[in-house]
Amino acid sequence: DVKVTQSSRYLVKRTGEKVFLECVQDMDHENMFWYRQDPGLGLRLIYFSYDVKMKEKGDIPEGYSVSREKKERFSLILESASTNQTSMYLCASSSTGLLRGNQPQHFGDGTRLSIL
Amino acid sequence: AQSVTQLDSQVPVFEEAPVELRCNYSSSVSVYLFWYVQYPNQGLQLLLKYLSGSTLVKGINGFEAEFNKSQTSFHLRKPSVHISDTAEYFCAVKRPENTDKLIFGTGTRLQVFP
Repeated sequence: DVKVTQSSRYLVKRTGEKVFLECVQDMDHENMFWYRQDPGLGLRLIYFSYDVKMKEKGDIPEGYSVSREKKERFSLILESASTNQTSMYLCASSSTGLLRGNQPQHFGDGTRLSIL
Repeated sequence: AQSVTQLDSQVPVFEEAPVELRCNYSSSVSVYLFWYVQYPNQGLQLLLKYLSGSTLVKGINGFEAEFNKSQTSFHLRKPSVHISDTAEYFCAVKRPENTDKLIFGTGTRLQVFP
């Protein structure tokens, strides 16, 4: 069974801090994703990585960066946290199918981040 | 642009009643469609997916969905719900470009009452 593990379930930080959210998957998946989930807005893609050291901006990348130094690990970085980044953050991974987009994404349990 | 619409933000229903959660998508190309479920304080789990072939797709926990190309819909159904089905349900569609990224709907909260 695929396991996607996010390092923290709950995190509280102060405005202006640099925040790291970590995600590890154990299925050798090529693709990894970071989303934020807000009530009424569903899941919005922040960043996507399709290989080690490769990254692609999603729909809302402003204020965030990512790092993928190893295939199993994908980190989300809030360079200078702000209160509007208070949210639930979800990490996911998927394999690359013969046809792009036909493989399901596997999700971690999420990190609820509060910026005070 | 590709989009996914879940018309109902909340669906209240009594236990053992049937339920339908609606999902419509906009796309001019072939699509892959997914339904995910999120139980409280958890991540999303795959319920079912449509890639090709039979338009009626069966998933886990007794759920099924029907792909309707002419209506651009992929509604989720269950003939008899349980209290344990209380959760948030997300419809998702592959983006039209050559990518593994998905677009998610805004979610439907299913609340099952005894």
